[in-house]
Amino acid sequence: LAKTTQPISMDSYEGQEVNITCSHNNIATNDYITWYQQFPSQGPRFIIQGYKTKVTNEVASLFIPADRKSSTLSLPRVSLSDTAVYYCLVGDNPNQAGTALIFGKGTTLSVSS
Amino acid sequence: DAMVIQNPRYQVTQFGKPVTLSCSQTLNHNVMYWYQQKSSQAPKLLFHYYDKDFNNEADTPDNFQSRRPNTSFCFLDIRSPGLGDAAMYLCATSRDGTGGRATEAFFGQGTRLTVV
Repeated sequence: LAKTTQPISMDSYEGQEVNITCSHNNIATNDYITWYQQFPSQGPRFIIQGYKTKVTNEVASLFIPADRKSSTLSLPRVSLSDTAVYYCLVGDNPNQAGTALIFGKGTTLSVSS
Repeated sequence: DAMVIQNPRYQVTQFGKPVTLSCSQTLNHNVMYWYQQKSSQAPKLLFHYYDKDFNNEADTPDNFQSRRPNTSFCFLDIRSPGLGDAAMYLCATSRDGTGGRATEAFFGQGTRLTVV
């Protein structure tokens, strides 16, 4: 199981771009990288998933270097409502039916005005 | 429309009294998960189902059991709740894709369990 390491917390201001980096040095060849967002008293919400290079959707971008040992979630122009905990997940053994989604400690992002 | 529904949202149970939490889904996903989340901690996976195949995490206490009678429903049974079992319990679903890769997981709103 690939272990992930993220900063415990980050602070930002409204309108800034925020980049959260996740380390996953022992990522397996078939593992995908997935990011979730969680607000207090709610279940996590899927943000983005990728395997290599760059993935972009309406919410965020995900940058993955060639060695795939890390990934960076980029949130453009954050607002106060982006204050949340962000989790980086790396897929469990893909040959086992039913991928176990294991959450690491996550990064608490605080956005101020 | 809610796709993963957990009932109840809040549950109070007595120390040692069995309690069951329920989860239903309208997504027809083949994988269902149960997580325990305590204050200021990450969700901790208790177990998950791939269809009817049950996968228990190694450190999940025997006090926690689960049932999945059909695709849509999944239950978490806590046989003898202790004070340390007070937490938010989250249910999630996903559809495993090619090579076993989990696609987007959808979470319910959670059930907050209080043990008195």
